Amino acid sequence: QSVLTQPPSASGTPGQRVTISCSGSSSNIGSNTVNWYQQLPGTAPKLLIYSNNQRPSGVPDRFSGSKSGTSASLAISGLQSEDEADYYCAAWDDSLNGHVVFGGGTKLTVL
Amino acid sequence: QVQLQESGPGLVKPSETLSLTCTVSGGSVSSGSYYWSWIRQPPGKGLEWIGYIYYSGSTNYNPSLKSRVTISVDTSKNQFSLKLSSVTAADTAVYYCARLILGGSYLGNWFDPWGQGTLVTVSS
Repeated sequence: QSVLTQPPSASGTPGQRVTISCSGSSSNIGSNTVNWYQQLPGTAPKLLIYSNNQRPSGVPDRFSGSKSGTSASLAISGLQSEDEADYYCAAWDDSLNGHVVFGGGTKLTVL
Repeated sequence: QVQLQESGPGLVKPSETLSLTCTVSGGSVSSGSYYWSWIRQPPGKGLEWIGYIYYSGSTNYNPSLKSRVTISVDTSKNQFSLKLSSVTAADTAVYYCARLILGGSYLGNWFDPWGQGTLVTVSS
């Protein structure tokens, strides 16, 4: 049972826009920034979005992040087949002396 | 370009101690701007943060694993290590090391980059 809640799956067709949600609480998303990681099949996770909505160098602007209250979202526009992957949200949690929490992950399928 | 590489036994017996090392290249573990972290992923499941260490030796562990985890750093070898004691089959996972970038109170912290991961199986 992950501290942050994500839908287990999402899907879309090429060119579509899809969003993935991440729900938390006041001790994590409500008071700290959210990061998103992309894990392509058989590979290590890669930083996709940091500080709620910042893209690292090299990440296409088709990927965007947002946060409101105790929830965050990852949006992917112009969906491409290579976007098929698992996506994880993460945040710092202020409880229990502070620790990092992840969402359970969302498997994105490009139909 | 900082790169991280995990190493260690791929098979550990139940009740024994899992030991892994992460070697950092292209950067220094002594940099004051980062924490050095371990994260794991059981087969077919999600990510779980294990803990992190600062170059000074200061640590922070996942409360659910705290009693069994020790993370240490060797600045002379530019490495940091993980020890997880009294392992069971539930500790079977791909173990990743990663750099935790300290962005400050406004930007927060994030993991980048990650090592490629190493599978550790707990079995007799």
